Amino acid sequence: GAVVSQHPSRVICKSGTSVKIECRSLDFQATTMFWYRQFPKQSLMLMATSNEGSKATYEQGVEKDKFLINHASLTLSTLTVTSAHPEDSSFYICSARTQGYSNQPQHFGDGTRLSIL
Amino acid sequence: AQKITQTQPGMFVQEKEAVTLDCTYDTSDQSYGLFWYKQPSSGEMIFLIYQGSYDEQNATEGRYSLNFQKARKSANLVISASQLGDSAMYFCAMREPNTGNQFYFGTGTSLTVIP
Repeated sequence: GAVVSQHPSRVICKSGTSVKIECRSLDFQATTMFWYRQFPKQSLMLMATSNEGSKATYEQGVEKDKFLINHASLTLSTLTVTSAHPEDSSFYICSARTQGYSNQPQHFGDGTRLSIL
Repeated sequence: AQKITQTQPGMFVQEKEAVTLDCTYDTSDQSYGLFWYKQPSSGEMIFLIYQGSYDEQNATEGRYSLNFQKARKSANLVISASQLGDSAMYFCAMREPNTGNQFYFGTGTSLTVIP
């Protein structure tokens, strides 16, 4: 089945550091990828929709300059958390879906646990 | 209004018993898709089962079945013969083609299987 790879799985870094998270679709082309943030024991919160070859669409309240998204190819989207601070610590997870009708599920990466000290 | 509502923050079930996780949804679209995902403590989201709005029969996938009641706008997940490995968070989700195929997730239900 479709597989999405997300890297790194865990990041611990100092405040002020920029962190890049990669999301790759391994065996299918994904024109659209999604980035979510999840706080402990809460649901997934959609941050942005990443569109190949165009600007990402951000959800209300998500800072575009803080969370930079690049979707340069049909198999890779990156999320860069710029100048990260402790409040940015969270679980970030990406997803992609194959082309087709609405019965296609989103396939998720394994997530990235980001801890800012 | 919430698109997806899961009213059970936590559920317990005895091993080998069946359990139903509730999910109601809100949409004015005729065409939509309903999904259930499992999230173990390790964090990955595992797709379990899908139900299309036009599907007349309830979806089944192994021990998972979806009790789809369209008039009530409910899509409950039934797990039969629970196993210890079923302990996890379970999320109900809906996809609406008319909103760019965005997925809407519920708040999740934490299931604990008791040996």
